Amino acid sequence: KQEVTQIPAALSVPEGENLVLNCSFTDSAIYNLQWFRQDPGKGLTSLLLIQSSQREQTSGRLNASLDKSSGRSTLYIAASQPGDSATYLCAVMGTGGFKTIFGAGTRLFVKA
Amino acid sequence: DAGVIQSPRHEVTEMGQEVTLRCKPISGHNSLFWYRQTMMRGLELLIYFNNNVPIDDSGMPEDRFSAKMPNASFSTLKIQPSEPRDSAVYFCASSTATYEQYFGPGTRLTVT
Repeated sequence: KQEVTQIPAALSVPEGENLVLNCSFTDSAIYNLQWFRQDPGKGLTSLLLIQSSQREQTSGRLNASLDKSSGRSTLYIAASQPGDSATYLCAVMGTGGFKTIFGAGTRLFVKA
Repeated sequence: DAGVIQSPRHEVTEMGQEVTLRCKPISGHNSLFWYRQTMMRGLELLIYFNNNVPIDDSGMPEDRFSAKMPNASFSTLKIQPSEPRDSAVYFCASSTATYEQYFGPGTRLTVT
């Protein structure tokens, strides 16, 4: 059974700092891994999708990497801004029927 | 595109009543997912459809829950009878052929 863990659960950093959010999964038979952000009381916004055959994806100040063999993904945020404050979730889609399992999220607060 | 549309945005009902949540996926997307989010359990996949056919409903908590997708542009999630423990935010998501998921704004359900 796939389990997805995100560390840390919460993070507070000063504006301008580079930071890394971690996501680990127990079953390496994945189809893809997707990073989302969720603002309080809102839906989820897709940030980056990494297919199982890919090692990383980049969008602006965001870079996500995937290491299937070790069951890990990282989301790197460069030059953090107060507007980056949100909960970041990773979701793993398995190959057996494409079931999606979410991590519990990392709550990020960027101080001005 | 308008994105994934969900209705109603908020629903308050009394225990024992029937509740129907609605979702319109993004045009051209061929997969649709229903999720439930609570503080205790996070985001959980309830059921997903591919080309209007239910593929995996193992996440549906009880027989009180049912979902349909009569055509490519509409899906419903029904709870009958509703119970206080069903209170949660219910999300619908649709995906492209690469299974990148796009979420709707959610329906906040409160059962008293």
